[in-house]
This record gives sequence, C-alpha cells and structure tokens, in this order.
Amino acid sequence: ETGVTQSPTHLIKTRGQQVTLRCSSQSGHNTVSWYQQALGQGPQFIFQYYREEENGRGNFPPRFSGLQFPNYSSELNVNALELDDSALYLCASSLARLSSGANVLTFGAGSRLTVL
Amino acid sequence: SQQGEEDPQALSIQEGENATMNCSYKTSINNLQWYRQNSGRGLVHLILIRSNEREKHSGRLRVTLDTSKKSSSLLITASRAADTASYFCATDARGGGADGLTFGKGTHLIIQP
Repeated sequence: ETGVTQSPTHLIKTRGQQVTLRCSSQSGHNTVSWYQQALGQGPQFIFQYYREEENGRGNFPPRFSGLQFPNYSSELNVNALELDDSALYLCASSLARLSSGANVLTFGAGSRLTVL
Repeated sequence: SQQGEEDPQALSIQEGENATMNCSYKTSINNLQWYRQNSGRGLVHLILIRSNEREKHSGRLRVTLDTSKKSSSLLITASRAADTASYFCATDARGGGADGLTFGKGTHLIIQP
C-alpha cells in the first residue's frame, strides 16, 4: 500500500506566475483535499475533491483551483502568485465518509513553494 | 481562520517525563483529532475522539475531551526523543459534509535526551 506522494518537493516562483502542484492519493482512497500551511501556523483548508468535483472549499480566492482525475490523483493550481502564497502545500487523501463518519486524513510530505 | 488554539505554543521536557498539551476550539464539533508533524513535513494522524466520548487511549497517548468547555488535552507518557515534533489538534465540524478539518497553530514539543 503506497502513501500519499506529492511533487515537486520544493519550488521557487516569482510574483504573478502560475504554479501546479501534484498529488497521488493513497491506494483505496477516493477523496483528496489540499491545505496551505504558512510558517509557524497550522494547516488551512483550501478545498476538497470527490468524484472529480470540488465539494468543499475554505476561505481561498478563485485563483486557487484544482482537479481530481479518475485515478484519484489531484492537482492544485495557483494563478497570479502573491508573496503571501509562500507556504507548505499539503495534500491529504481519505475515504468518502457518511455524514456521521470521521474524516481521518493521510497526508503527503508537502510541496514547499517560495514566491519571490 | 484557525478554530483551535493549542497551549502551550512550545514545550521542552526531559526524556522520560510526561508531556501535556491542550487545545481549545470555538464551535460545536463532530469529533476532534490530534496530528503530529516532524520538521515541516506531512502530518501523521495520532488519535481521534468523538464528541460523545470523554477519554481515549492509544499506546502512550491519552486524549480527553470536554465539550462543555470546548477543550481537549493530549498526554504523552514516558516521552522519547523521537516524540520531538509539532502537535496539532483538528476539529471536524458538526453537520459533516466537505468542510475540511480546522487546525490549531500547534504545540512544538522538544524532548531533551
């Protein structure tokens, strides 16, 4: 059973550029979510994908977008990068839950984005 | 925005001692989880406690939940150097759906050998 893998591990972009981060879910998981973690802070929920559609979103602007593919892998795209977008971006996979079930996440190691 | 607030922000203890960290949150929850993060890497799930539970154990971990005070504590007994990490509480809001987890700012735990 493979865990969650993310690429790239590190990248540097300049303000105004666009970035795509990639994630492969853990085997058997069908839901993927993305989190942004600024230095010294806890992760903040960006959005979640299930059955290739976004089904939940945190307080992030539309320039943060994503995709989920039939094999449950996912991409996070950020357009018009700003300095404050510098952070560790974490992908997490899970099993879709019933309304009363628990949302236990398996995280990847993250992609560290630096915006200059 | 962060729902949970961990306390203390940083904790340094000797190996073998017990470590206690606390978490407070603001809204009604379905369950509360604790995660560990080593040096800016991915988070690892440690333990989950449901809103109708008061205490839960897993190995050297003990978690309590007081929904009336909207608070939880994580106790790590007989600490080891490998326990050095940041610990986060995460709440799962009532109503389910796809709201994601809401994390606190974390407690940075250092175990001195």
